Amino acid sequence: SAVISQKPSRDICQRGTSLTIQCQVDSQVTMMFWYRQQPGQSLTLIATANQGSEATYESGFVIDKFPISRPNLTFSTLTVSNMSPEDSSIYLCSVEDLRYRYGYTFGSGTRLTVV
Amino acid sequence: RKEVEQDPGPFNVPEGATVAFNCTYSNSASQSFFWYRQDCRKEPKLLMSVYSSGNEDGRFTAQLNRASQYISLLIRDSKLSDSATYLCVVNMGAAGNKLTFGGGTRVLVKP
Repeated sequence: SAVISQKPSRDICQRGTSLTIQCQVDSQVTMMFWYRQQPGQSLTLIATANQGSEATYESGFVIDKFPISRPNLTFSTLTVSNMSPEDSSIYLCSVEDLRYRYGYTFGSGTRLTVV
Repeated sequence: RKEVEQDPGPFNVPEGATVAFNCTYSNSASQSFFWYRQDCRKEPKLLMSVYSSGNEDGRFTAQLNRASQYISLLIRDSKLSDSATYLCVVNMGAAGNKLTFGGGTRVLVKP
């Protein structure tokens, strides 16, 4: 399967600051996906990032709060802006892995705590 | 109604026993279906895709019932290492291959 390197793995941040999460994939992929998993919950899609175009955000998520970059086919960043304690969550990137039974592979996640 | 629903469990399973659980989905146009496994504090990992004819991978059997809009996962000869949360994942299709996750079913296999 595709190998995704996601960092940082965890961080503790002050409210009002921003954190940028990076995902690097070992192969070129058309779409990368960013998810949030709040404590005790399942995954919720934040946005889909395509190279060369603006990300597509799901209902409840906006670009000003979660700006995304996709400079090439192997890399993407998600920024959590102006953080509040409600943003404390695990953030995961994902790619469709056509080599691996058409499933989706996930990065190891970024555990964010906002204090 | 949630788009993808699962019994949260936990299912307490004696080692060696068989356990099965379902997942229902609301969108009849859903195109593909998966079971993922998530261990505590880890990312989800693909367990198996679910095909229309049903499929088996070792001790795991997945089935799809499009008429009733549910998928199922059966685990035979449960091992202690099968303890995890099993996520039902549905690709709703349309634009962009949007995955929708169920809330997960927690399985605890005990000696």
